[in-house]
Amino acid sequence: DAGVTQSPTHLIKTRGQQVTLRCSPISGHKSVSWYQQVLGQGPQFIFQYYEKEERGRGNFPDRFSARQFPNYSSELNVNALLLGDSALYLCASSSAARSYNEQFFGPGTRLTVL
Amino acid sequence: AQRVTQPEKLLSVFKGAPVELKCNYSYSGSPELFWYVQYSRQRLQLLLRHISRESIKGFTADLNKGETSFHLKKPFAQEEDSAMYYCALSTNSGAGSYQLTFGKGTKLSVIP
Repeated sequence: DAGVTQSPTHLIKTRGQQVTLRCSPISGHKSVSWYQQVLGQGPQFIFQYYEKEERGRGNFPDRFSARQFPNYSSELNVNALLLGDSALYLCASSSAARSYNEQFFGPGTRLTVL
Repeated sequence: AQRVTQPEKLLSVFKGAPVELKCNYSYSGSPELFWYVQYSRQRLQLLLRHISRESIKGFTADLNKGETSFHLKKPFAQEEDSAMYYCALSTNSGAGSYQLTFGKGTKLSVIP
């Protein structure tokens, strides 16, 4: 298993555009979480999905949305991009939705907004 | 709201010296605490979690609820320990719902 995979690796967009980031969890993992990591900061929680339902949402505006598909892969969408959305977006998967479970992280998608 | 504080942005120690990376948390419920590590050009990965009470790569961390701390310690630093370390707090907000709150991270540099 290649672990959690994310695409694309890098992305450059301009202000006002929309972007979709993709994540494939480890086979058998049903929980997917998204994090935003701004340079010099720790990852910040955006969403958590389990069994295709949104189970948690961080303090992010409605411009951020996500979904999980029947195969447990996930997409993160960001509308009306702002310069401040420039960050590394991390996806993490877990075998179950329990707080003590290890989360396995992907390599991230580096988004640059110009 | 939950919060994780890592007071040191950068910690430099000599090889063979003891290491302590500090982590304090703020949370009204029962905390689940983790240390994640990111080595150069690698992805973020779990180092250890308090519920397991284990030693990984010589590192240990003890949850002190009185001081709301979860410091990471190793008696003798090695060069391969150089990495970015994040303390994280997992909180449960309902059935199947949880989130990780990370500190800002401490960059550990072990000097040969």
